[in-house]
Amino acid sequence: AQKITQTQPGMFVQEKEAVTLDCTYDTSDPSYGLFWYKQPSSGEMIFLIYQGSYDQQNATEGRYSLNFQKARKSANLVISASQLGDSAMYFCAMREGEGGGADGLTFGKGTHLIIQP
Amino acid sequence: NAGVTQTPKFQVLKTGQSMTLQCAQDMNHEYMSWYRQDPGMGLRLIHYSVGAGITDQGEVPNGYNVSRSTTEDFPLRLLSAAPSQTSVYFCASRRQAVYSNQPQHFGDGTRLSIL
Repeated sequence: AQKITQTQPGMFVQEKEAVTLDCTYDTSDPSYGLFWYKQPSSGEMIFLIYQGSYDQQNATEGRYSLNFQKARKSANLVISASQLGDSAMYFCAMREGEGGGADGLTFGKGTHLIIQP
Repeated sequence: NAGVTQTPKFQVLKTGQSMTLQCAQDMNHEYMSWYRQDPGMGLRLIHYSVGAGITDQGEVPNGYNVSRSTTEDFPLRLLSAAPSQTSVYFCASRRQAVYSNQPQHFGDGTRLSIL
């Protein structure tokens, strides 16, 4: 079974609209972290936002927020007031266990977001 | 302000050749890891290291070797390149922390083609 599922291979959104990118995850570990990365066409991986399994509040970073629903095992990324520069691949990823243990993120297959003027 | 530096950026190899992808970080991060990214897929973990002298396998380790003699460097070796190893390779590093909240910082990637 996939540990990270992103069900939207591609999305087209009008500029200035809000965008929700879906991510569901599967783990039996009570301690985990969820990350979102942006990969523009230039190829680099840019960290956007983090949500911990024990965090009581949804994470926010500027125009990015994370809609974390623990019981549903979902961690959707919300981008408010989208801009043309938001066009990119977006990846949801998870690290299981405490931060001092084994390393490595498990990634979803990504969502290709295109912002239209 | 270098962060994670990968060299080379592009490489073409013939089947059976060997090569080393270099990765260096200047943030004094304990943890380093290598991923590969294939079309239509997210990144998959190849090998990782939690400190100098300590390495372990990730999801797709076959055909790759790593070593970690210093905190700064974490090279990835292809012993006998195969076309299936054509991919974009990313190196990443992060701080060790009690909680899992430290993000990985990625290099710009190495685009590798095996003919």
